Amino acid sequence: GQNIDQPTEMTATEGAIVQINCTYQTSGFNGLFWYQQHAGEAPTFLSYNVLDGLEEKGRFSSFLSRSKGYSYLLLKELQMKDSASYLCAVRDPSNDYKLSFGAGTTVTVRA
Amino acid sequence: DAMVIQNPRYQVTQFGKPVTLSCSQTLNHNVMYWYQQKSSQAPKLLFHYYDKDFNNEADTPDNFQSRRPNTSFCFLDIRSPGLGDAAMYLCATSRDRGGDGAFFGQGTRLTVV
Repeated sequence: GQNIDQPTEMTATEGAIVQINCTYQTSGFNGLFWYQQHAGEAPTFLSYNVLDGLEEKGRFSSFLSRSKGYSYLLLKELQMKDSASYLCAVRDPSNDYKLSFGAGTTVTVRA
Repeated sequence: DAMVIQNPRYQVTQFGKPVTLSCSQTLNHNVMYWYQQKSSQAPKLLFHYYDKDFNNEADTPDNFQSRRPNTSFCFLDIRSPGLGDAAMYLCATSRDRGGDGAFFGQGTRLTVV
């Protein structure tokens, strides 16, 4: 089966850095995705990692370690608009390449 | 320039009354998904199509059906909605199974009264 774990909630101050961890145990692996989801909205794509290492995209970076079944999403220079839920999702080729999602981490940015 | 469009955004239906949610895409992706998401929970895959090939999740209730008449459109039919079916329903597409991940529509929030 698929098991994807993330912290439920995190709070940080505007301008700060927050790191959201994701651990996964899946029968196969073909990429890990991070999505941002504002309340009442659909998830929007943030990042994709398939090889070990860090992918940087502006204020957001994502890291993957396949041997550890671990990823993190790093949000820098936090802005109020970054308050949202962040979903980790794993694609599993042994499971028809379907995306399995974690429950999401709700990040609250305070002034 | 929405690429995955879901209609309606909000749907209210009566307990037991059939309801259909629709999804269309302009991306020409061959994979389409339906997810159910309840508050503070992970999106849960109900089924997906790879072209016309329908794939049902083992734990998707029989109450849920889907149709994909062509590449662009996909429908979710709930035959007899119960109170427990109130949720956000998300349609997503992807370019082949090994593509760039899933592109989501804005979702339809279903209320059952």
